[in-house]
Amino acid sequence: AQSVTQLGSHVSVSEGALVLLRCNYSSSVPPYLFWYVQYPNQGLQLLLKYTTGATLVKGINGFEAEFKKSETSFHLTKPSAHMSDAAEYFCAVTDSGGSNYKLTFGKGTLLTVNP
Amino acid sequence: DTEVTQTPKHLVMGMTNKKSLKCEQHMGHRAMYWYKQKAKKPPELMFVYSYEKLSINESVPSRFSPECPNSSLLNLHLHALQPEDSALYLCASSQVGSGGFNEQFFGPGTRLTVL
Repeated sequence: AQSVTQLGSHVSVSEGALVLLRCNYSSSVPPYLFWYVQYPNQGLQLLLKYTTGATLVKGINGFEAEFKKSETSFHLTKPSAHMSDAAEYFCAVTDSGGSNYKLTFGKGTLLTVNP
Repeated sequence: DTEVTQTPKHLVMGMTNKKSLKCEQHMGHRAMYWYKQKAKKPPELMFVYSYEKLSINESVPSRFSPECPNSSLLNLHLHALQPEDSALYLCASSQVGSGGFNEQFFGPGTRLTVL
């Protein structure tokens, strides 16, 4: 079964600092990978996705992620954190074939941004 | 319209009550999902409907009964719930297709408390 591991349940950065949230996947075939963000008391919003093609993926709100097959990683970065980035971030994976209904989420990383 | 709506936003019910959660989308999506999310945990898939037919049931207890009356609506009927069923219930929808990625759009959720 596919899975993702998010390293660090809580990451704290200063405003303006680099944001790095780590995600490693476990899959025998190239998966589809995603990062979702969840603000307090809200649903999930897709930040970015990797399916095929370019391994550096740009998403919304200045976030990007790089798919590294050799490291089985899909880390999320943002050059400069804003206070509004404080939220829970989930990495997720699904099959690259079939109907890919099932998203498997990591445990999540809570990002806090300090002024 | 890229919105998934859920009603009610909050629900408090006793263990003997019967209640329903409602989800609606008008994006023409033919797959709809119910997820359960406990505090500080990732969402867990409960049910998937594809073309108004139940496609996936993740071994959910029978006190949860899903219904998809048409392509825009998804209900979750609740009966004889337990306090441990208290959680955020998220609805999502997506296109249907094999071999490609179908982004899931999430609603804001219903916060359920079982007394």
